[in-house]
Amino acid sequence: GQQVMQIPQYQHVQEGEDFTTYCNSSTTLSNIQWYKQRPGGHPVFLIQLVKSGEVKKQKRLTFQFGEAKKNSSLHITATQTTDVGTYFCAGYLGERGSTLGRLYFGRGTQLTVWP
Amino acid sequence: DAGITQSPRHKVTETGTPVTLRCHQTENHRYMYWYRQDPGHGLRLIHYSYGVKDTDKGEVSDGYSVSRSKTEDFLLTLESATSSQTSVYFCAISESTILHRRGNTGELFFGEGSRLTVL
Repeated sequence: GQQVMQIPQYQHVQEGEDFTTYCNSSTTLSNIQWYKQRPGGHPVFLIQLVKSGEVKKQKRLTFQFGEAKKNSSLHITATQTTDVGTYFCAGYLGERGSTLGRLYFGRGTQLTVWP
Repeated sequence: DAGITQSPRHKVTETGTPVTLRCHQTENHRYMYWYRQDPGHGLRLIHYSYGVKDTDKGEVSDGYSVSRSKTEDFLLTLESATSSQTSVYFCAISESTILHRRGNTGELFFGEGSRLTVL
């Protein structure tokens, strides 16, 4: 079964509205990474969270890692048309410090922003 | 952008034919991955490599094989292509997955993708 679940699958917003995508795992994650894929492009790394309860910001983007390290969220404030794309979360399963070859991706949230 | 090149970028083939996709990197990264991307399924790991001649299966490895004879090249082979293998294939590389190593984010750098259509 899928190791990392992500919702919603699609989100359509008007420019200026906020957007949030959620990521959940049934097992503890060593870390959580977030990627963005523009239409027709390839995934590009945005950020990594490692610590329990960690919050990081990149301009209008806020990333959170849950206290139990089983969930994460990406929130975009006041979306712009340049935010269009698919946002993926991804995580290594297991305890921090281990060598893990498999990065499990969520199915992604496709964001559409209309002017 | 990281030095990753995938070839071919586009390919149309017929059911039952063999297909090989190539991923070439100039970053000397240890880890290399092959993912496939399909609508509604996100990115699914096919195979990955943690060194020359060291490979392991991912989530959807059936029908695929890989080889890594040099650090810079990771080949994905479909021995007998089927229509269900029509997809966009992404190669990715990472320096390390040892998360406690200072300065290492474990991030993946992706290639541009190879679109394969099996008729």
